[in-house]
Amino acid sequence: GNSVTQMEGPVTLSEEAFLTINCTYTATGYPSLFWYVQYPGEGLQLLLKATKADDKGSNKGFEATYRKETTSFHLEKGSVQVSDSAVYFCALSGRDDKIIFGKGTRLHILP
Amino acid sequence: KAGVTQTPRYLIKTRGQQVTLSCSPISGHRSVSWYQQTPGQGLQFLFEYFSETQRNKGNFPGRFSGRQFSNSRSEMNVSTLELGDSALYLCASRFNVGRTNTEAFFGQGTRLTVV
Repeated sequence: GNSVTQMEGPVTLSEEAFLTINCTYTATGYPSLFWYVQYPGEGLQLLLKATKADDKGSNKGFEATYRKETTSFHLEKGSVQVSDSAVYFCALSGRDDKIIFGKGTRLHILP
Repeated sequence: KAGVTQTPRYLIKTRGQQVTLSCSPISGHRSVSWYQQTPGQGLQFLFEYFSETQRNKGNFPGRFSGRQFSNSRSEMNVSTLELGDSALYLCASRFNVGRTNTEAFFGQGTRLTVV
């Protein structure tokens, strides 16, 4: 079945550092790919999405590119802020329409 | 436009009891999905309803059930509660299904504690 694997956390960075959170997936066909973010005590918010190969999703300085050849959708940000501290989930939606999530990566940004 | 609303936000129940959680989707959204979130297992898919019909189901025991009403509001029920059912239960709504690029919008969740 479909699955998502993302790097384990926690990831701790200093403010203004470069961020990469790796995500790879297994799916048949051409799934849609998403990154969600969860702040403490809240539900998940959609951060960005990509629906076909080579699409780049971007939002709030975060970017991710749908790489079909490497089945990856890595999340990047050039300069993180303390307010980016949260848990980040990579997810896919495949032919059966179920949204499958990775286990989440907790990000700590130090001032 | 109001977001996804889940009630109650917090619940404390005793083992063996049953519980009902409620979710009101974004207006116009016809799909509602439920997820269980725990530190150990992450986000696990429970089930999805569309137009009052269950169209997808995860790997949970029959103690977990749900339903959707004609106004798209959904409830999930857990009977004979176990300590391991303590979790954050998240509801998500989607405008439509059958298209893989339809993203889900989440509520803030219901924190269930079983004692």
